[in-house]
Amino acid sequence: DAGITQSPRHKVTETGTPVTLRCHQTENHRYMYWYRQDPGHGLRLIHYSYGVKDTDKGEVSDGYSVSRSKTEDFLLTLESATSSQTSVYFCAIRTGEMETQYFGPGTRLLVL
Amino acid sequence: SQQGEEDPQALSIQEGENATMNCSYKTSINNLQWYRQNSGRGLVHLILIRSNEREKHSGRLRVTLDTSKKSSSLLITASRAADTASYFCATGSSYNTDKLIFGTGTRLQVFP
Repeated sequence: DAGITQSPRHKVTETGTPVTLRCHQTENHRYMYWYRQDPGHGLRLIHYSYGVKDTDKGEVSDGYSVSRSKTEDFLLTLESATSSQTSVYFCAIRTGEMETQYFGPGTRLLVL
Repeated sequence: SQQGEEDPQALSIQEGENATMNCSYKTSINNLQWYRQNSGRGLVHLILIRSNEREKHSGRLRVTLDTSKKSSSLLITASRAADTASYFCATGSSYNTDKLIFGTGTRLQVFP
């Protein structure tokens, strides 16, 4: 499972509150990714990181920010959660030159 | 916008039959990958085919790639009930090797 954990695994929150999701890896991979998965949309990239303090936007980055202050942790923050951000969020890491990605177990977020 | 689009969206077959799913994409790619997702779980990498390859095998999986048609197919031979899952193609762009773009997936149901 490439040593990827996500926390929390489930969260219910209210519109307008900030939410932070954590992705943790144990193998010092350089690249880490945050996706959201919604019915009919597959996986869409929110943000990714290519090193400590190095991040870039994906296709659905509005309303989200990320931080990576150390190699093993990649945080996704919803500054002010909206109902449209109800989704399943997956973290992934990329291993070496093969460009394959390994996924965490996901976080189910419900914004009421 | 989504890079990869899978066809069909859903597929139901009996155990022992072959399952074929297709993926089309829009721009120049470096590689194309297939992933499986069991219900409620993260994606698992199955196979990667590079843009200069036409066919690749892994166990009961056979992947073909036609770059002139910008399409790929995944064949699962002698399907088992355990193959029931959603299958996603993902493309690595020639222009940005940091990211993968995922399609919307094919839901495969294999009946015993």
